Amino acid sequence: GIQVEQSPPDLILQEGANSTLRCNFSDSVNNLQWFHQNPWGQLINLFYIPSGTKQNGRLSATTVATERYSLLYISSSQTTDSGVYFCAVEPSYTFNKFYFGSGTKLNVKP
Amino acid sequence: DVKVTQSSRYLVKRTGEKVFLECVQDMDHENMFWYRQDPGLGLRLIYFSYDVKMKEKGDIPEGYSVSREKKERFSLILESASTNQTSMYLCASREPGGNPGGYTEAFFGQGTRLTVV
Repeated sequence: GIQVEQSPPDLILQEGANSTLRCNFSDSVNNLQWFHQNPWGQLINLFYIPSGTKQNGRLSATTVATERYSLLYISSSQTTDSGVYFCAVEPSYTFNKFYFGSGTKLNVKP
Repeated sequence: DVKVTQSSRYLVKRTGEKVFLECVQDMDHENMFWYRQDPGLGLRLIYFSYDVKMKEKGDIPEGYSVSREKKERFSLILESASTNQTSMYLCASREPGGNPGGYTEAFFGQGTRLTVV
């Protein structure tokens, strides 16, 4: 099956710093989403981005489907950005089956 | 906004009990999903449903069944709960898309932390 790798696994930032999270996947995909899991366990939608670039406030994301990776940028980080960030992909050869990376655990210190 | 609601945030059940986890979505989505999340294993798909009374096994269906009698509700059933089913359970839904293959954005509920003792 498809492999989804996220890096780095852990990240500690000082408030105000910028960061880039990466998601590599091993096969072609028709769907890619970025989520933030809050301390209570809920997955919050950040981006639906099978290709291209999107921005939402301090967050932006880019997916280069032909090279099989996606990047999530967080600028001017805040303590509320802390949590785990997941990338989820849906391979082209399947439907209704998302495969998640193992996540990047972000800790933003005040 | 899409809302996916799981009936319980925390649940404690005894080994051997029949357990029902309920999920309701308010956006008339056709596709609904159940995942479990475990440390070191990540999120894994248990079952999904693409229409009322229709279901498909995911990657780890053993020990679980599902029910979809109404479009808005998708239930996960643990017929005889065991301690290895202690986990975080997450429900999701999405609509079919207009693009080829119907790939659209999925939305998740708040999760249910189930402990089986």
